[in-house]
Amino acid sequence: EPEVTQTPSHQVTQMGQEVILRCVPISNHLYFYWYRQILGQKVEFLVSFYNNEISEKSEIFDDQFSVERPDGSNFTLKIRSTKLEDSAMYFCASSRYRGGGDEQYFGPGTRLTVT
Amino acid sequence: AQSVTQPDIHITVSEGASLELRCNYSYGATPYLFWYVQSPGQGLQLLLKYFSGDTLVQGIKGFEAEFKRSQSSFNLRKPSVHWSDAAEYFCAVGTNYGGSQGNLIFGKGTKLSVKP
Repeated sequence: EPEVTQTPSHQVTQMGQEVILRCVPISNHLYFYWYRQILGQKVEFLVSFYNNEISEKSEIFDDQFSVERPDGSNFTLKIRSTKLEDSAMYFCASSRYRGGGDEQYFGPGTRLTVT
Repeated sequence: AQSVTQPDIHITVSEGASLELRCNYSYGATPYLFWYVQSPGQGLQLLLKYFSGDTLVQGIKGFEAEFKRSQSSFNLRKPSVHWSDAAEYFCAVGTNYGGSQGNLIFGKGTKLSVKP
């Protein structure tokens, strides 16, 4: 069964450093998403991506964040200068059709720890 | 504003007992509703979804949920819980209005523990 994969599973970085979280969505999916979950809090939407551009983003997704689909398979989330409050589990998801009306398939997540 | 409330943070049930996890939503349009489960160290797996039609939906692993528009609820049920059901359960509403690309709004989750 196809699945969304994410690397690394755990990333530790120092405050101010740049990090790139990687995701490989399911191959025939067209919509891609990043969510995050701060420990003990709810899963929050960050950004959606379709047709090689951001289609929607939340207020969390500020100028420190960027997303890219550098090739036909990867989908990346970059945090330019990490802050302590960026420590969270980051989930990538993809769907064949627009996600609100279609199932989003989630990856296992990357736990980001900023020290 | 759209929101999802799961009033129970942690529930413990005995193996073989029935289960009901509560979910209430606030959403202006007809909602798309989902239940996801997250086992430790795993991603979010879809249990079931409601888009329209029959208000009682069946999902995987023996779960079902009932959409009640009058109560703005989408409670998850299982008649007999297995030890392997211990996990965290998330209710979510999918945005489907206007130009939204359909992101999910999640509740805070309910952690289910199962005692032998």
